Amino acid sequence: DSGVTQTPKHLITATGQRVTLRCSPRSGDLSVYWYQQSLDQGLQFLIQYYNGEERAKGNILERFSAQQFPDLHSELNLSSLELGDSALYFCASSQQGWGVLNTEAFFGQGTRLTVV
Amino acid sequence: AQKITQTQPGMFVQEKEAVTLDCTYDTSDPSYGLFWYKQPSSGEMIFLIYQGSYDQQNATEGRYSLNFQKARKSANLVISASQLGDSAMYFCAMREGPAGSYIPTFGRGTSLIVHP
Repeated sequence: DSGVTQTPKHLITATGQRVTLRCSPRSGDLSVYWYQQSLDQGLQFLIQYYNGEERAKGNILERFSAQQFPDLHSELNLSSLELGDSALYFCASSQQGWGVLNTEAFFGQGTRLTVV
Repeated sequence: AQKITQTQPGMFVQEKEAVTLDCTYDTSDPSYGLFWYKQPSSGEMIFLIYQGSYDQQNATEGRYSLNFQKARKSANLVISASQLGDSAMYFCAMREGPAGSYIPTFGRGTSLIVHP
């Protein structure tokens, strides 16, 4: 158990809908990363938050947004869903997100999103 | 350009034998960290081993070792005495210094199957 909790584990929804994925980082971890894993694109970095503030953006669509709350949990909001958004969405956390190279990211079990 | 390249989509190994999974990387930052993760069929990402760019010795963690060749920009994972439970996807990742914003970037992965 990595200590990172993601809910829900599975989500099936229709095109055009909006969903929210939730992540609770490991206790004491300030940095949260969101990744999308699909068969054709591999593991793609979406966005990073550090202690409540957005720190870095990757290949995140405008239809997607995220935030990190004062208790450090994070939510990824996906709207106007398309079939191609079907993927495994991972949240990862690390103690420090900036200036430290040797801190591994601990991953949650992922949320498998299926858009039908 | 790909920052992390894993050229072996799939590998097969006999139980109890050693196997090497290849990873090459591309960075101009002198400060970086290299990671390997394991993703079993259940989906979670499990951290295996870390190598820093300034580390003089190759990293080892139990049956896992990292063959770090800095001049060749390669960071191959060696699994000794393979076990059936080692069957999984393996991802190489890199975290660069300030130029790369310390965001972990992943390769496409290598599928390892261990035969009895």
